[in-house]
Amino acid sequence: DAMVIQNPRYQVTQFGKPVTLSCSQTLNHNVMYWYQQKSSQAPKLLFHYYDKDFNNEADTPDNFQSRRPNTSFCFLDIRSPGLGDAAMYLCATSSSASGRYNEQFFGPGTRLTVL
Amino acid sequence: GIQVEQSPPDLILQEGANSTLRCNFSDSVNNLQWFHQNPWGQLINLFYIPSGTKQNGRLSATTVATERYSLLYISSSQTTDSGVYFCAVRDDKIIFGKGTRLHILP
Repeated sequence: DAMVIQNPRYQVTQFGKPVTLSCSQTLNHNVMYWYQQKSSQAPKLLFHYYDKDFNNEADTPDNFQSRRPNTSFCFLDIRSPGLGDAAMYLCATSSSASGRYNEQFFGPGTRLTVL
Repeated sequence: GIQVEQSPPDLILQEGANSTLRCNFSDSVNNLQWFHQNPWGQLINLFYIPSGTKQNGRLSATTVATERYSLLYISSSQTTDSGVYFCAVRDDKIIFGKGTRLHILP
């Protein structure tokens, strides 16, 4: 089955220690998104790639970076995690090819703990 | 920017009951999706419904774009329906509502 995969499902890091979360997809979608979701809140869009074009949300801290080496993979790098970065990180994809550009499909998420 | 409001914020029902969740949005949108977030945190697609009515088993949804609202109907609730239901709309950016937390009692 086509899907969005996130690894790892749970990640523990130390305050200030860089961490990378990964997302891969077999849907062949050209748009990939990263969201941050804190407890009891709605998902908040951090940035997205439209093909190779990176689109950062205005309020996303510089501490968060992303890489998309190819269509299938996208990475979220947190350069110096703080306690406030502990959250669920959700990856999503969508396609602009079918006319249903904005239907998003989400991965299972990575829950990040910062000690 | 567009405001998205979901109601009610919390809902507790007995198994077998029916429910209606509402999503209001403040301006025209290009699309609307309903999601169910399960207890493990995964967002499950329920409906992609910028307008009209769709049904999938016990769930159905209606979006009246001209009146800027969408409704999600859940019939014959089961305990597995518990979780948070989000609507998300898109204009020039994607905006999630704050969700409705549904708890189905056995």
